[in-house]
Amino acid sequence: KNQVEQSPQSLIILEGKNCTLQCNYTVSPFSNLRWYKQDTGRGPVSLTIMTFSENTKSNGRYTATLDADTKQSSLHITASQLSDSASYICVVRGGFQKLVFGTGTRLLVSP
Amino acid sequence: KAGVTQTPRYLIKTRGQQVTLSCSPISGHRSVSWYQQTPGQGLQFLFEYFSETQRNKGNFPGRFSGRQFSNSRSEMNVSTLELGDSALYLCASSLRDRDREPLHFGNGTRLTVT
Repeated sequence: KNQVEQSPQSLIILEGKNCTLQCNYTVSPFSNLRWYKQDTGRGPVSLTIMTFSENTKSNGRYTATLDADTKQSSLHITASQLSDSASYICVVRGGFQKLVFGTGTRLLVSP
Repeated sequence: KAGVTQTPRYLIKTRGQQVTLSCSPISGHRSVSWYQQTPGQGLQFLFEYFSETQRNKGNFPGRFSGRQFSNSRSEMNVSTLELGDSALYLCASSLRDRDREPLHFGNGTRLTVT
């Protein structure tokens, strides 16, 4: 069954600290993996899109990694800010262009 | 450039009624897709349109339907509403029907079925 699992479900960190969110998937065939940020009450916003051949991709303080062999991805947030408080959703595009969504990690950055 | 616009923002309906949600994509975007988001299930894909043709459909009952107009605007209809249809419905657009295009989401329509 095509699935995307994210961990942890929720996370609280202090402002200025770094954190890493995990995404494991069983989607096959694999086309690409995306990370989205969703603020409360708003739609998701794209952070990165990574294909099979890309190991790392950065977007400002956000760095995503992909290990297609182990079917794992991580999103690393450096020097967290209060505005990073949001849900982070991992999405895998598989065969027939179907998107499989993870249930997200809810991050709270505390002052 | 204006983002994806969804109307209405909030909607309250009674079980058994039907509802139509509207989505205006970013100007020039020809691909529109719809998603249901609930706290328990997360985001789930409903359907995707490109140039007025449905390209993909998720695993939802036939009560859920959609269409896309020649100006790329899209509507989603849910008939015979059930309590479990209460959710945030999100629309997203992308520039082309291409695999690596990022999705641009609207802020959704929150539907409550009583």
